Amino acid sequence: NAGVTQTPKFQVLKTGQSMTLQCAQDMNHEYMSWYRQDPGMGLRLIHYSVGAGITDQGEVPNGYNVSRSTTEDFPLRLLSAAPSQTSVYFCASSRAGTQYTDTQYFGPGTRLTVL
Amino acid sequence: GENVEQHPSTLSVQEGDSAVIKCTYSDSASNYFPWYKQELGKGPQLIIDIRSNVGEKKDQRIAVTLNKTAKHFSLHITETQPEDSAVYFCAASIGNNAGNMLTFGGGTRLMVKP
Repeated sequence: NAGVTQTPKFQVLKTGQSMTLQCAQDMNHEYMSWYRQDPGMGLRLIHYSVGAGITDQGEVPNGYNVSRSTTEDFPLRLLSAAPSQTSVYFCASSRAGTQYTDTQYFGPGTRLTVL
Repeated sequence: GENVEQHPSTLSVQEGDSAVIKCTYSDSASNYFPWYKQELGKGPQLIIDIRSNVGEKKDQRIAVTLNKTAKHFSLHITETQPEDSAVYFCAASIGNNAGNMLTFGGGTRLMVKP
């Protein structure tokens, strides 16, 4: 199993450009999430999905769109990049939780710089 | 919503010493508390987790304790080694939440000096 994979590893954008960060998992997990990591702030949830065709907003959704057409893929779209979106982005996946949250597995991250 | 605070933000220890990182949470409904280790340029990796039905869990040199009354939990690393140097994150989650959403602490940079 490759686990959770993300592409690209690094990206530089100019303000106003658009791009898509790719995320894929091969563990047949129902849940997938996108987090951003900023210095001193831990990881903050952007969007999440509980299955194909179902997405919802997290703590910091503004400026980002997501879709989930298959179980395996969960792309994150920046429609008009802003310097405030300079960050490291992590995708995560997990099985559906029960009484307790199930373990989340993280990808290696995409480091995005917006000039 | 849930708020998780983590202390200290940096911790420097001598090889072989113990390291303790503490977290507090605000929502009494949280019942799952994972700890992640993040090495430079990599994604967070789960090292240990604890559920609210137990007070302590141990895995070799790593242990986590949970005090539900005080709403705090701690990571203990004994006999530290240079390869333990990394950033550690605590997190909290409410069970049965759609998406298995985690709220993270701000992270602790642990440096183990040989």
